[in-house]
Amino acid sequence: AQSVAQPEDQVNVAEGNPLTVKCTYSVSGNPYLFWYVQYPNRGLQFLLKYITGDNLVKGSYGFEAEFNKSQTSFHLKKPSALVSDSALYFCAVRDKDDKIIFGKGTRLHILP
Amino acid sequence: DAMVIQNPRYQVTQFGKPVTLSCSQTLNHNVMYWYQQKSSQAPKLLFHYYDKDFNNEADTPDNFQSRRPNTSFCFLDIRSPGLGDAAMYLCATSRDRGVNTEAFFGQGTRLTVV
Repeated sequence: AQSVAQPEDQVNVAEGNPLTVKCTYSVSGNPYLFWYVQYPNRGLQFLLKYITGDNLVKGSYGFEAEFNKSQTSFHLKKPSALVSDSALYFCAVRDKDDKIIFGKGTRLHILP
Repeated sequence: DAMVIQNPRYQVTQFGKPVTLSCSQTLNHNVMYWYQQKSSQAPKLLFHYYDKDFNNEADTPDNFQSRRPNTSFCFLDIRSPGLGDAAMYLCATSRDRGVNTEAFFGQGTRLTVV
């Protein structure tokens, strides 16, 4: 079965510093990977996806993610964090049965 | 413009009293999903529709039912809510089958059971 793992429950970063939110995946076949963000009491918003092609994927709000096949990782990154980036971030994988499987989420705190 | 709309945003229901949550979409997407999310945990898939084809997750309790009368609307019915059913319920859509399509989520309905 397809799955993703987010090893960190919480990540704290000072405003202006680069941020990384980690995700590793376990899939059979080609991986189709996504990142979503959730603000308090809101639904999930799509940030970016990796399907094929360039390993560095650019997405919304200045976020990007790096696909690394040898490490089975798909870490979310941003060069300079904003306080408004503070939210809950989910890595996800899509499986052949149309399901979207989410990781447990990582809470990102950007410190002013 | 909102594309996936969930009503209501907040719902309070009594223990054991049937409740219905609604979702509508203006995207004309074929796939609609219902997820349950508790306390900042990962969303858990309850079921999904591909067009009219209903797909139930094996561990979704019988207490949860769904209806999709047309492309635009999908309903989640909880026949006898228990305290453990208090959660955020998320509706999502996806354009079609295919592993490269992302999902679009509504704002969610937070259900409280008293």
